[in-house]
Amino acid sequence: QSALTQPPSASGSPGQSVTISCTGSSSDVGGYNFVSWYQQHPGKAPKLIIYEVNKRPSGVPNRFSGSKSGNTAYLLVSGLQAEDEADYYCNSHAGSNIWIFGGGTKLAVL
Amino acid sequence: EVQLAESGGGLVQSGGSLRLSCEAPGSSLSRNWIHWVRQPPGKGLMWVSRVRYDGTVTSYADSVRGRFTVSRDTAKNTVHLQMNNLRVDDTAVYYCARTDWFDLWGQGTLVIVSS
Repeated sequence: QSALTQPPSASGSPGQSVTISCTGSSSDVGGYNFVSWYQQHPGKAPKLIIYEVNKRPSGVPNRFSGSKSGNTAYLLVSGLQAEDEADYYCNSHAGSNIWIFGGGTKLAVL
Repeated sequence: EVQLAESGGGLVQSGGSLRLSCEAPGSSLSRNWIHWVRQPPGKGLMWVSRVRYDGTVTSYADSVRGRFTVSRDTAKNTVHLQMNNLRVDDTAVYYCARTDWFDLWGQGTLVIVSS
């Protein structure tokens, strides 16, 4: 049950777009459309922003979008805003009633 | 507005036990799968366990299987995580989260295991 692989950090200027990757295997990310993404601000609980690869919960801005290709999932944050600065985590079902998180990516808005 | 609330965290010595609880004040958890996720200080999220809405199906991460037990008390609308034989590396904030999309999280409860 190794963590999914995310880049430790990402950055962009306000208004720019940033993509965060989440790489797993055919046993998790590549095998299921059960990939989700979470935003976590310091000292706060995580918040769901994308589920089932590319679906947005009510209230999440459409600046956030998700996709998947093979064993890698992607989170695209468009039109970066200062409040987007946070940690982002991916998560995938991995079969046998097991779930796995990515190691997390710290997004800086420069 | 539905909220989740964890409780039961605290300081315990290595080898000791704690029981965490997850409630939804004013709402029902009866139709939801519930997950436990933990986050060591300054580190990332780690999935711990999952329980079906009726308590009949459970699953665990390898690192806690055999030491942790998840259960639910439907009468009290509460999910429990019994943690035995605690180790220093179990130190973390423990969150409960609703559904397999983790669409709602509690504020977390801190567990510190000392040596």
